[in-house]
Amino acid sequence: AQKITQTQPGMFVQEKEAVTLDCTYDTSDPSYGLFWYKQPSSGEMIFLIYQGSYDQQNATEGRYSLNFQKARKSANLVISASQLGDSAMYFCAMREVRDDKIIFGKGTRLHILP
Amino acid sequence: GAVVSQHPSWVICKSGTSVKIECRSLDFQATTMFWYRQFPKQSLMLMATSNEGSKATYEQGVEKDKFLINHASLTLSTLTVTSAHPEDSSFYICSAGSSEPYEQYFGPGTRLTVT
Repeated sequence: AQKITQTQPGMFVQEKEAVTLDCTYDTSDPSYGLFWYKQPSSGEMIFLIYQGSYDQQNATEGRYSLNFQKARKSANLVISASQLGDSAMYFCAMREVRDDKIIFGKGTRLHILP
Repeated sequence: GAVVSQHPSWVICKSGTSVKIECRSLDFQATTMFWYRQFPKQSLMLMATSNEGSKATYEQGVEKDKFLINHASLTLSTLTVTSAHPEDSSFYICSAGSSEPYEQYFGPGTRLTVT
C-alpha cells in the first residue's frame, strides 16, 4: 500500500496565483516527519519545508507553507504568489522515526504560466 | 545548510562493466546514508540504507549482489553497480541525515547510462 499519495500528476497555474499541492500519508507510527522537496529539470532535490508529527503549528518557510491536518493525514503544500521559477516537480515525503528512511510520493509536476 | 556531494555527476559505461558512485557528506558526519534510484518522470525509489561500519540494508526487490554499497567512513558511502546493463540506466541520488535537528540532505545525483 502506498504510504504517500499525491493525486495531482500535473498542474497548470497562472503566475502570481497561489497553488496548493495535495499530499496524504499513511502511517501507524505516532512519531514521523513530513517533507516537501522541489526537483527542477537539473535533477537536484531542493528541500522546501518540514513538519513534525508533534508540531502544533503549521510549518512556514517564506512563500511555502504546509497545511498539516493530522486527523485527516494530510500535508498539503501551499505556495503563495507563484513565480515562473516555481515550475518543477514537487515531491511529498515522509520519514517514520522507527525506521528512519524517507519515502517519497509519485510527485506533482507544476507548470507556472506567464 | 549541509552539503552532500556525488561523483561522478554523469557516467556512460558499456554493458557488463561496473561503475562506482561516491557520496560524500562535506561538512558533517553521517552514520547513515541512503541511496535512491529515479527513472525518468518517476519518483525516487529507496534502494538501500547505508550504515557506517556495517552492512547495508536493502529494500525489497533490490539485488544486493548487483548494487554493492560500502560505507567506509562517516563521510563516504559508495554504490557500485556491478555488471551493468541498459536497464540499470537511471538517476542515482544519495542522501545523508543529521539526527538533531532532523534534516535530510540530498546529493546532486549521478546520471548513469549503460550502452
